[in-house]
Amino acid sequence: AQKITQTQPGMFVQEKEAVTLDCTYDTSDPSYGLFWYKQPSSGEMIFLIYQGSYDQQNATEGRYSLNFQKARKSANLVISASQLGDSAMYFCAMREGYNFNKFYFGSGTKLNVKP
Amino acid sequence: DTGVSQNPRHKITKRGQNVTFRCDPISEHNRLYWYRQTLGQGPEFLTYFQNEAQLEKSRLLSDRFSAERPKGSFSTLEIQRTEQGDSAMYLCASGGLAGINTGELFFGEGSRLTVL
Repeated sequence: AQKITQTQPGMFVQEKEAVTLDCTYDTSDPSYGLFWYKQPSSGEMIFLIYQGSYDQQNATEGRYSLNFQKARKSANLVISASQLGDSAMYFCAMREGYNFNKFYFGSGTKLNVKP
Repeated sequence: DTGVSQNPRHKITKRGQNVTFRCDPISEHNRLYWYRQTLGQGPEFLTYFQNEAQLEKSRLLSDRFSAERPKGSFSTLEIQRTEQGDSAMYLCASGGLAGINTGELFFGEGSRLTVL
């Protein structure tokens, strides 16, 4: 079974609008962490936001927020006020295991921001 | 620069040759991961080291692949008898102590392998 599922291969959003990128995960570990990374066309992986499995509140980092629904095992990324520079691949990831020995990535969503 | 460093950045080789990639993690990081990424796909987990111990290895990893981290600092990933299907970007990432931080990974710029 896939550990991380991203069902949107590609998304378009108008500049200045908000967009939600979907992510579901699968784990039986009670302690895990969820991450979103951005990969521009230049190739570097940029950390955006983190949510711990025991965190009660949804994580926020500037224009990024993570909509964490634990019972549904979903961790959607919301980008508010999209900018042209947000055009990139976005990967949802999960770490599990006592030693953080398992760290999985989804297949990604390519976001295109239109002017 | 104290980020994760990988070399070579690009490697072109002929099928059947051996190749080795090196990763120098952030100095205080004890966790080190190798991933393989093909175009338009997410990083695929290959192996994980905590200090010098290889704690996790993907079942998908062929026995032609081997990784080491001899002194818990830099790591090498060797691919023997390369095949065209090995063509990909090989990413290295490092992270701080497990359990006392979020577990965020810091990535290198990758080593791109092309097998002719």
